[in-house]
Amino acid sequence: DSGVTQTPKHLITATGQRVTLRCSPRSGDLSVYWYQQSLDQGLQFLIQYYNGEERAKGNILERFSAQQFPDLHSELNLSSLELGDSALYFCAIRNDLLSQETQYFGPGTRLLVL
Amino acid sequence: QKEVEQDPGPLSVPEGAIVSLNCTYSNSAFQYFMWYRQYSRKGPELLMYTYSSGNKEDGRFTAQVDKSSKYISLFIRDSQPSDSATYLCASSQGAGGTSYGKLTFGQGTILTVHP
Repeated sequence: DSGVTQTPKHLITATGQRVTLRCSPRSGDLSVYWYQQSLDQGLQFLIQYYNGEERAKGNILERFSAQQFPDLHSELNLSSLELGDSALYFCAIRNDLLSQETQYFGPGTRLLVL
Repeated sequence: QKEVEQDPGPLSVPEGAIVSLNCTYSNSAFQYFMWYRQYSRKGPELLMYTYSSGNKEDGRFTAQVDKSSKYISLFIRDSQPSDSATYLCASSQGAGGTSYGKLTFGQGTILTVHP
């Protein structure tokens, strides 16, 4: 158990809608990474936040945005949803205290766009 | 071309077999290499972590990195049915520079160990 929580576990919505996915890291985890996992693209990096600031962007669509709040939880906002956005969305934290490059993943949110 | 290539399999082996999983990568800046195990509908779980070239052993698992050939391997000895999962290799440049520690994953190899 990574200690990272994600809500909701499952989300079913319609095309054109907007959803918010939440990630709660363990106490003291400053770095949060968001990844998308789909059958055709595999597991891909979307965006990273460190202590409230955006640090790096990957293959994140303009319709997607994220933020990290003062209590260090993070939210990934997906808007104008398309069928192709159906995927598993994971957040991961990096153990900054140990200065290791490993990341620990949450259980994910499964998004289905109908 | 993907920065990290991994044969998706599927790979099916009998219980007790030695399993070899492999990845290749193209980015010379990668310094950190990881293997994750992912059970169906679960989050990836860190199995092994290696910095630069070399071997690392943990119980039945051995990770090898050869930076000269850009080759990453995971060996599982005495494989068990509970090892049945998808195995993902991942690489990172580290938290410095502009990559900020993001992980680049292979496609994952689906492994089934049958009794």
